Amino acid sequence: SQTIHQWPATLVQPVGSPLSLECTVEGTSNPNLYWYRQAAGRGLQLLFYSVGIGQISSEVPQNLSASRPQDRQFILSSKKLLLSDSGFYLCAWSVRGPFTDTQYFGPGTRLTVL
Amino acid sequence: AQSVTQLDSHVSVSEGTPVLLRCNYSSSYSPSLFWYVQHPNKGLQLLLKYTSAATLVKGINGFEAEFKKSETSFHLTKPSAHMSDAAEYFCVVSGPYSSASKIIFGSGTRLSIRP
Repeated sequence: SQTIHQWPATLVQPVGSPLSLECTVEGTSNPNLYWYRQAAGRGLQLLFYSVGIGQISSEVPQNLSASRPQDRQFILSSKKLLLSDSGFYLCAWSVRGPFTDTQYFGPGTRLTVL
Repeated sequence: AQSVTQLDSHVSVSEGTPVLLRCNYSSSYSPSLFWYVQHPNKGLQLLLKYTSAATLVKGINGFEAEFKKSETSFHLTKPSAHMSDAAEYFCVVSGPYSSASKIIFGSGTRLSIRP
């Protein structure tokens, strides 16, 4: 069966510090991968998605970046965090192909920027 | 343009009574529609999805939703609420199949269950 992992589960970082969040998927190959951010009391905002190694599409211009160094690994990064980067970050995967397919979500990372 | 509106930010029902969570959508395509559930500080879990087959879709945990094209609605229902149903629910529209940018999440409905 497929599983998706995210770490860390929680993170408290000062403004201006770097960020690296990791997501890995097991039990599937060539997945579509997604990074979402969920602000308090809000819906999910798609930040990045990837259809393959090294292929990243950005949906929202910001100080965040994403990378996919391996087929089932997706990393969200920042060189300098802002207060507005606080939120709940969710990684998801779907079967390679149509973006209308079901997405499977990881447990999330709670990021607080102070 | 594609959009989704969850008409209630918070719904409170008594245990054992019916649940209705409302969702309206707008899409230039034949949409795929989803309902996901999120328990506190957890990821999202798929409840059910509509992809142009039967208009009445049955999901997990006794939930179902009906796609009504004339009303552009995809409301989520359950005949009898259980305490474990307390969570946040998200309606999602996506399409066309070739664009991740068109995956749109509603703002969510928080469901509370009274004993």
